[in-house]
Amino acid sequence: KAGVTQTPRYLIKTRGQQVTLSCSPISGHRSVSWYQQTPGQGLQFLFEYFSETQRNKGNFPGRFSGRQFSNSRSEMNVSTLELGDSALYLCASSFSDRVAYNEQFFGPGTRLTVL
Amino acid sequence: AQTVTQSQPEMSVQEAETVTLSCTYDTSESNYYLFWYKQPPSRQMILVIRQEAYKQQNATENRFSVNFQKAAKSFSLKISDSQLGDTAMYFCAFFLPYGGSQGNLIFGKGTKLSVKP
Repeated sequence: KAGVTQTPRYLIKTRGQQVTLSCSPISGHRSVSWYQQTPGQGLQFLFEYFSETQRNKGNFPGRFSGRQFSNSRSEMNVSTLELGDSALYLCASSFSDRVAYNEQFFGPGTRLTVL
Repeated sequence: AQTVTQSQPEMSVQEAETVTLSCTYDTSESNYYLFWYKQPPSRQMILVIRQEAYKQQNATENRFSVNFQKAAKSFSLKISDSQLGDTAMYFCAFFLPYGGSQGNLIFGKGTKLSVKP
């Protein structure tokens, strides 16, 4: 099976712009989670989608949003970019269809730089 | 709220030797999962080992084993016969499988491990 893919791998934006990142999960996986990784804050959970519904959300401002399509692909959007949004954004997919643990498989990440 | 603490920002070990990475966590729950993830310089996060809290037996995966002390809320990772390919950031993570926490892994800040030839 192909792994989790994320596009683009690298992105440079300026303050005030918006950005959309994409994540394609492993075939058959219905859950997609997003994480932000920065040197200062480490890895922080953004949100999780399952069957096109946001099931859980981390403590991030409303500028961060996401969605999931019927094929389980997911996008996250950040509007009005700030310098502090510079980070590696990781997406992870799992089969999860109930309240239990299913291993999350991570993508390579999208490195976002805000100038 | 759950927290995960890794007190060793950086560690180094000689090739073929053994190293132990520390992790402590805080939770009032009794049913949870703990993990060690490895993130090599290429950035792809890989699951190394997992432990279910209800299992008393420590998990083992080849050269990787854990020392799970539930009462002390401690979860250390031992890497035996260290190899150059073990060089990476190692993250300890916590997962609560209920209560609206789906998909939410809570990570420690990580330990950067360097294996030296």
